[in-house]
Amino acid sequence: DAGITQSPRHKVTETGTPVTLRCHQTENHRYMYWYRQDPGHGLRLIHYSYGVKDTDKGEVSDGYSVSRSKTEDFLLTLESATSSQTSVYFCATSLDRVDTEAFFGQGTRLTVV
Amino acid sequence: AQSVTQLGSHVSVSEGALVLLRCNYSSSVPPYLFWYVQYPNQGLQLLLKYTTGATLVKGINGFEAEFKKSETSFHLTKPSAHMSDAAEYFCAVSERSGSSNTGKLIFGQGTTLQVKP
Repeated sequence: DAGITQSPRHKVTETGTPVTLRCHQTENHRYMYWYRQDPGHGLRLIHYSYGVKDTDKGEVSDGYSVSRSKTEDFLLTLESATSSQTSVYFCATSLDRVDTEAFFGQGTRLTVV
Repeated sequence: AQSVTQLGSHVSVSEGALVLLRCNYSSSVPPYLFWYVQYPNQGLQLLLKYTTGATLVKGINGFEAEFKKSETSFHLTKPSAHMSDAAEYFCAVSERSGSSNTGKLIFGQGTTLQVKP
């Protein structure tokens, strides 16, 4: 299994504060993704990266930004957290565009109060 | 554009009974299809995938799925449910652009499987 570590695993933050979630992988996978999981919605893609400094928006990108300065790290930032961003966030990686089998981290439970 | 629909947000079976979780997809090009399982408080784990070739795909833990192009379906089955199968299951399709993958997965809403003793 791909080594994917998310940090922190749990976080409670206040509305209006910035929050950064970190994803670290040890598999040298080119693609990295941030998803959010909410009841009734499954997993929705927030942002993804197809290489260092190459990122693109997913279907629910408003209020989020990402950065990837190294192959192994993919950061998700909530610029000004809102209660609607309370969710479980998953990082995933895949080898390349052809092999899109995704490997997932354990998730980060974020609560915005 | 591709999409995935999982029929039934909750499925309940008795231990030892057949498990059938339904997934239908929409795609104008041959899809890559996946089933993932999520145990409580964990990330998703790949159960099986279909890319090309044999339409009946076998996965881990005794699960299998059959790609049926005519029905645009990729239903997940297991002959005999075990208590440890209780989890949430997600069907996904690889987003395609023309004949190429974009590198993104599109997920269904998930089906929670309950296994009763």
